[in-house]
Amino acid sequence: GQNIDQPTEMTATEGAIVQINCTYQTSGFNGLFWYQQHAGEAPTFLSYNVLDGLEEKGRFSSFLSRSKGYSYLLLKELQMKDSASYLCALMTTDSWGKFQFGAGTQVVVTP
Amino acid sequence: DAGITQSPRHKVTETGTPVTLRCHQTENHRYMYWYRQDPGHGLRLIHYSYGVKDTDKGEVSDGYSVSRSKTEDFLLTLESATSSQTSVYFCAISESLSNEQFFGPGTRLTVL
Repeated sequence: GQNIDQPTEMTATEGAIVQINCTYQTSGFNGLFWYQQHAGEAPTFLSYNVLDGLEEKGRFSSFLSRSKGYSYLLLKELQMKDSASYLCALMTTDSWGKFQFGAGTQVVVTP
Repeated sequence: DAGITQSPRHKVTETGTPVTLRCHQTENHRYMYWYRQDPGHGLRLIHYSYGVKDTDKGEVSDGYSVSRSKTEDFLLTLESATSSQTSVYFCAISESLSNEQFFGPGTRLTVL
């Protein structure tokens, strides 16, 4: 099976930067996805990494190191609306098309 | 936004009653998924479908069945609801196995 670990909660100040780490264990990596979920709403897709390195999308960036089983989501210039849960999801070669989700990291942005 | 709707959005039922949740998509995506989300567990896959009449079990399939008779509809049935099935249920769709999944708005189910 796959273990996916994320911190439970992080707090940061408006305008700051926060880095959400996700570590995983698998023998057949096939992709790492990040989702944002506001309270009471559906998850929405943020980013996808399949190769090592950094993917940048505006204020959000995601990094992957396959050899270390490690990814992070970087949120820059934090805004109050970024307060949400951030979910890391793993796709593996033995579960093609199926995601294994982490429990999520609750980010609280304070004024 | 991907065209995904779920019905009902909220339901309260009693233990032992059958319940069917519906997921409807207008994107013509081949792959559809049912998840449940509970505090501390994140999203867990119940069943998924890779085409009409093609379905398979996820990690928490016990007590649930599914059907997909049309591309656009994926039904989740609880044959005899139990209190442990109180949860928020999300449907998701995907264009291909390697693409991101898009989620419906969710159904909050309470089993008393």
